[in-house]
Amino acid sequence: DVKVTQSSRYLVKRTGEKVFLECVQDMDHENMFWYRQDPGLGLRLIYFSYDVKMKEKGDIPEGYSVSREKKERFSLILESASTNQTSMYLCASSSGQNTGELFFGEGSRLTVL
Amino acid sequence: QKEVEQNSGPLSVPEGAIASLNCTYSDRGSQSFFWYRQYSGKSPELIMSIYSNGDKEDGRFTAQLNKASQYVSLLIRDSQPSDSATYLCAVNAGNMLTFGGGTRLMVKP
Repeated sequence: DVKVTQSSRYLVKRTGEKVFLECVQDMDHENMFWYRQDPGLGLRLIYFSYDVKMKEKGDIPEGYSVSREKKERFSLILESASTNQTSMYLCASSSGQNTGELFFGEGSRLTVL
Repeated sequence: QKEVEQNSGPLSVPEGAIASLNCTYSDRGSQSFFWYRQYSGKSPELIMSIYSNGDKEDGRFTAQLNKASQYVSLLIRDSQPSDSATYLCAVNAGNMLTFGGGTRLMVKP
């Protein structure tokens, strides 16, 4: 069974803390994505990666960074968490030829106090 | 700004009826189109993809694409209460997938 696994389902952090969200896929997919989902705003792309050590900004990259050191792993980093980063974070992956056919992880709900 | 628009709903249909979900997009260069279903508290899952004008059928689902009108739709025949979910339209132009806000569908027994 194909799988995208996100390291934490629920996190509570304080303003200014550094936050790591990790995502691992077992499908040998080239493409990996980080989205956030907020009521009324839908799914918004933060960063994506088409290859190891490669990253591209999405629609809302401010306040975030990413790391892709291995093909199967894509990490999202909040250098200094703020309350407006409280959200559901969704990782997804897709194969190189089917970039729009995404497989999503279960999501990480982050609350920043 | 590439936009994908959906009516947020809720769209309420009786069990056994046809549910019709609509989506418009702004980027004429869009090449591929997708429908995702998201149950409450769960992640989106892909249910249909369509790449050329016309209809594409998969079981009870039919996706329709009209590039000239920049319009994509999803028809669900014989709607079941288990189809109650939010349906997200997504459009791929270039190397980024843009999602609409989703339409909440409620199928009443």
